[in-house]
Amino acid sequence: DTEVTQTPKHLVMGMTNKKSLKCEQHMGHRAMYWYKQKAKKPPELMFVYSYEKLSINESVPSRFSPECPNSSLLNLHLHALQPEDSALYLCASSQDGLAASISYNEQFFGPGTRLTVL
Amino acid sequence: AQTVTQSQPEMSVQEAETVTLSCTYDTSENNYYLFWYKQPPSRQMILVIRQEAYKQQNATENRFSVNFQKAAKSFSLKISDSQLGDTAMYFCALGSGAGNNRKLIWGLGTSLAVNP
Repeated sequence: DTEVTQTPKHLVMGMTNKKSLKCEQHMGHRAMYWYKQKAKKPPELMFVYSYEKLSINESVPSRFSPECPNSSLLNLHLHALQPEDSALYLCASSQDGLAASISYNEQFFGPGTRLTVL
Repeated sequence: AQTVTQSQPEMSVQEAETVTLSCTYDTSENNYYLFWYKQPPSRQMILVIRQEAYKQQNATENRFSVNFQKAAKSFSLKISDSQLGDTAMYFCALGSGAGNNRKLIWGLGTSLAVNP
């Protein structure tokens, strides 16, 4: 199984809502990533988890809260978002999880969640 | 500073022809990694090719090959026998730095359209 799955595919939320994005992989990868991607732009790294511990937070606003319940699952909890947070949110995983760093191995990406904040 | 530059925001090619996407980069590291990722419309981003800087031989993957010119800091992607399914955004990325300073720097991408 070389797949990263993400749910939901689409999400529309108001600025006062609380919602969560979910990502799952069963490849035994020890590093998992959240990216934000605007249309026709490269992905922007948000968070990296290595061995289920948060190793990198790219100064993301606290209205985004990541969680890694186990080695296969990654969640992104959303609260009080702004319209400018509307984007495609990508999850990715890679084989090795370094203690506090980014892997240079292949990253496997999920299809993303298209988020619209009204 | 580490940078990745893709100078062609958009390109088009006829089906079955060959196209080359350019990527230049800058890093002060001696060892680093270079990547081409492909993102088809409304589909997942996938790795096309990965190159380790210390390897002289250019990486190839079926119809995809790279021209890695380390001295010139150039990493172009050649797609041979283009197919309609090659229509996608192509991102060049640089993995550079060690320890806590590891970074993956992305280019702005090239939107490739393969025309029938």
